[in-house]
Amino acid sequence: AQSVTQLDSHVSVSEGTPVLLRCNYSSSYSPSLFWYVQHPNKGLQLLLKYTSAATLVKGINGFEAEFKKSETSFHLTKPSAHMSDAAEYFCVVTATSGTYKYIFGTGTRLKVLA
Amino acid sequence: GAGVSQTPSNKVTEKGKYVELRCDPISGHTALYWYRQSLGQGPEFLIYFQGTGAADDSGLPNDRFFAVRPEGSVSTLKIQRTERGDSAVYLCASSTTPGVNEQYFGPGTRLTVT
Repeated sequence: AQSVTQLDSHVSVSEGTPVLLRCNYSSSYSPSLFWYVQHPNKGLQLLLKYTSAATLVKGINGFEAEFKKSETSFHLTKPSAHMSDAAEYFCVVTATSGTYKYIFGTGTRLKVLA
Repeated sequence: GAGVSQTPSNKVTEKGKYVELRCDPISGHTALYWYRQSLGQGPEFLIYFQGTGAADDSGLPNDRFFAVRPEGSVSTLKIQRTERGDSAVYLCASSTTPGVNEQYFGPGTRLTVT
C-alpha cells in the first residue's frame, strides 16, 4: 500500500528566504509522486511531478523537488519565498499500476512573513 | 481550454435529504475521480471511472454514496440520507492516461449538512 507523510503541518518563512516542505513516502511499487498547491477557495494546482525520469524535478513558480529513493523522500524546495506562495501544499503518491488513484498527505500550510 | 467544472459550488442541505453533485471533466479525458476533503485534511479517494464504468469504488464510505457516469463524460455523485458527517468539499478530477498524465482538479463542491 502507498502512503505519504508530510512532516510539518505548518511552516513559516520570511519573504525572500528559502522554502523547504518535507514529504516521505511509502510504496510497494515504483511510485509516481506529485506536489499540488491549494490556495484559499481555489482548486488544486499541480506544481511538479516525478514519474521515474530525472530525480531532480523542476516545477512552476520556481519550485523543485528531489526524489531520493534511499531516504524515501520527495521534499519540495524554493530558493526564495514570495508572498504569493502562501497556501496549502499537498504531497501525493500514486502507484504505477491499477487505478492510479491519488493518496494525499495531510498537507503543509505555508505562511510567508513580510 | 476549459478545465474541470463542478456544480454547485456550494450546497447546504438538511440532515436526511438527498443531494447530487455534478462534475464535468475536461473534454476527451476518459478517467474521472471523486475525492472528499474534510476540514484540515488532505483529499481522500472515493471512486474512479474509466469511461462509463466504475473501475474502483473502494473509497465510498457506505451504501448511501453512489456515483454514475452514463455517457463517459459528466459524472454525478449522489448521497442519500445525508448526515452531518458528510459535510466536506467534494473534488472531482480527470485525466487522459492514468499513470502517465496527472489529474486535473475542479474547484470542488462545498457540502454542508445542517
